[in-house]
Amino acid sequence: AQSVSQHNHHVILSEAASLELGCNYSYGGTVNLFWYVQYPGQHLQLLLKYFSGDPLVKGIKGFEAEFIKSKFSFNLRKPSVQWSDTAEYFCAVILYNQGGKLIFGQGTELSVKP
Amino acid sequence: EAGVTQFPSHSVIEKGQTVTLRCDPISGHDNLYWYRRVMGKEIKFLLHFVKESKQDESGMPNNRFLAERTGGTYSTLKVQPAELEDSGVYFCASSPQAGPTGELFFGEGSRLTVL
Repeated sequence: AQSVSQHNHHVILSEAASLELGCNYSYGGTVNLFWYVQYPGQHLQLLLKYFSGDPLVKGIKGFEAEFIKSKFSFNLRKPSVQWSDTAEYFCAVILYNQGGKLIFGQGTELSVKP
Repeated sequence: EAGVTQFPSHSVIEKGQTVTLRCDPISGHDNLYWYRRVMGKEIKFLLHFVKESKQDESGMPNNRFLAERTGGTYSTLKVQPAELEDSGVYFCASSPQAGPTGELFFGEGSRLTVL
């Protein structure tokens, strides 16, 4: 079965540290890839997405992600985190033949210490 | 523009009782999705409506769950009778277009606790 795996359940960083959250998926066909974020007390919102083209995509708030097809990975990065980045981050894929049916990873909780 | 709204935000019920969760999608969005997150696990797809029709209900756990979207506007998800393992956060999302490129807009979720 198709699945999405996020390597870290909880990451704790100090402000200004660099961030990389791992995401791997298991599906051999065409996929579209997403990172969603849920800030405390808020709804899930889209951080960035990859459909095609440049495998390095930039999202909101200085986040970026790189799609590496050979590794089935879509890791999220940010050079310097801020306290306001404290949130839970979800990697997700949509299989190309299934409309709108997101398959999520388990989520990574990021805590940034001021 | 109003986002996706869900009600109630939190419901606590006893095993065997019935709960109905409601979702109001963004106006004009034909696609409506229900997802669920059981504590500590991933967010899982439950079903997908296109207007009032169920497009995909492959994620519905069992026949204790009933989803409706009468008139193609708001949707309800009823759990009857509720069991302990139904506890979790139920997310609703809507989208103006289906397919792999459609961005989903999520509500804040309805937290269900079954005692």
